[in-house]
Amino acid sequence: EVVMTQSPATLSVSPGERATLSCRASQSISNNVAWYQHKPGQAPRLLIYGASTRATGIPARFSCSGSGTEFTLTISSLQSEDSAVYYCQQYNSWPPVTFGGGTKVEIK
Amino acid sequence: EVQLVESGGDLIRPGGSLRLSCAASGFPISGKSMSWVRQAPGKGLEWVSVIYSSGTTHYADSVKGRFTISRDNSKNTLFLQMNSLRAEDTAVYFCARNFPEIVVVSVDWGQGTLVSVSS
Repeated sequence: EVVMTQSPATLSVSPGERATLSCRASQSISNNVAWYQHKPGQAPRLLIYGASTRATGIPARFSCSGSGTEFTLTISSLQSEDSAVYYCQQYNSWPPVTFGGGTKVEIK
Repeated sequence: EVQLVESGGDLIRPGGSLRLSCAASGFPISGKSMSWVRQAPGKGLEWVSVIYSSGTTHYADSVKGRFTISRDNSKNTLFLQMNSLRAEDTAVYFCARNFPEIVVVSVDWGQGTLVSVSS
């Protein structure tokens, strides 16, 4: 099973500032990673897949980089509506599909 | 517009059974890979099961042998039959529609239904 580890657990960022979220895989997963945004009481939302391809309707301020075992989600200019928990997911080797533990992004 | 609406969540005693439903609209589920993902209270997302368009299914080890994913194409509805429920199955259960090209990446999600397992 591929274990996905996210850091930090919580990130507090001022509006307009950059937020950088990390995700590490326990073994190489090429670029087979997706990122989701999840707000309380709402459906999760797919942001990025294939390590760098934004899903339909996702603003350009969301970007991702990395390959192999290290991945980074960057929110270039944080907006108030970006307050949420962000999860990475690997789909290189399944079952099982595995998610990271999540990073909570708070607005300062 | 794609819409997924889960139902069937309830308070159930350990050892009991429950069937969750996910009514889909805006697309035919027969040609799609569909997943169930859950979130326990205060925890992150946990993948539960997937059914491909071919009918092939996969399960997380934690539910294998107890849960069964299925679909009724005539009702355009996805199901999750949950047997021998345990306290650790307590969670909000989400159904999701997956990419055809990447059959376990979920592009559309429902709002979820709450399952509470407690005596």
